[in-house]
Amino acid sequence: NAGVTQTPKFRVLKTGQSMTLLCAQDMNHEYMYWYRQDPGMGLRLIHYSVGEGTTAKGEVPDGYNVSRLKKQNFLLGLESAAPSQTSVYFCASSRYIHTGELFFGEGSRLTVL
Amino acid sequence: SQQGEEDPQALSIQEGENATMNCSYKTSINNLQWYRQNSGRGLVHLILIRSNEREKHSGRLRVTLDTSKKSSSLLITASRAADTASYFCATGVKETSGSRLTFGEGTQLTVNP
Repeated sequence: NAGVTQTPKFRVLKTGQSMTLLCAQDMNHEYMYWYRQDPGMGLRLIHYSVGEGTTAKGEVPDGYNVSRLKKQNFLLGLESAAPSQTSVYFCASSRYIHTGELFFGEGSRLTVL
Repeated sequence: SQQGEEDPQALSIQEGENATMNCSYKTSINNLQWYRQNSGRGLVHLILIRSNEREKHSGRLRVTLDTSKKSSSLLITASRAADTASYFCATGVKETSGSRLTFGEGTQLTVNP
């Protein structure tokens, strides 16, 4: 099993450009999450999903959109990238909502110039 | 401010020594989890301890939880160079509005051969 797979692993954008990060999990988990990790800030929850077709805002949702059209996939979109969105993005999935064990992808490093 | 705060921020020890990391939190929790993150990789779940448990073991890992002091500790015994990583605590809280998992900023552990 691959677990949680994120693509792309690296991306450089110019301010104002858009992009989509893709997360795929093969564990049949209902719950999926997008986090960002910044130095000195720990991991902060951007958006999450409790099932196919549902999404909800996390701690830092502004500037991001998400979609969960299929149970195994969770997409994170940046419509107009800003330098403040330079970060490492992690997707995670879990069997139980929020408080259960999370399975993480390897991360996507995004730089916005 | 972060729910979970790790201490120390950085720890450097020799191979074979024990490493102790601490996590303090502010509000009542449902459970507390510890994760490891190797440089440039995703987070990996190590252990989960519920609020009604006081101690838990997994291999060379020992986790304690003191809900009266709102603190937890992670002990790694007989450390190895491969234990070099960042270690994060995450507090799971169930609220009427839902549940959430909040990560601390992590402890960077370096084990010198």
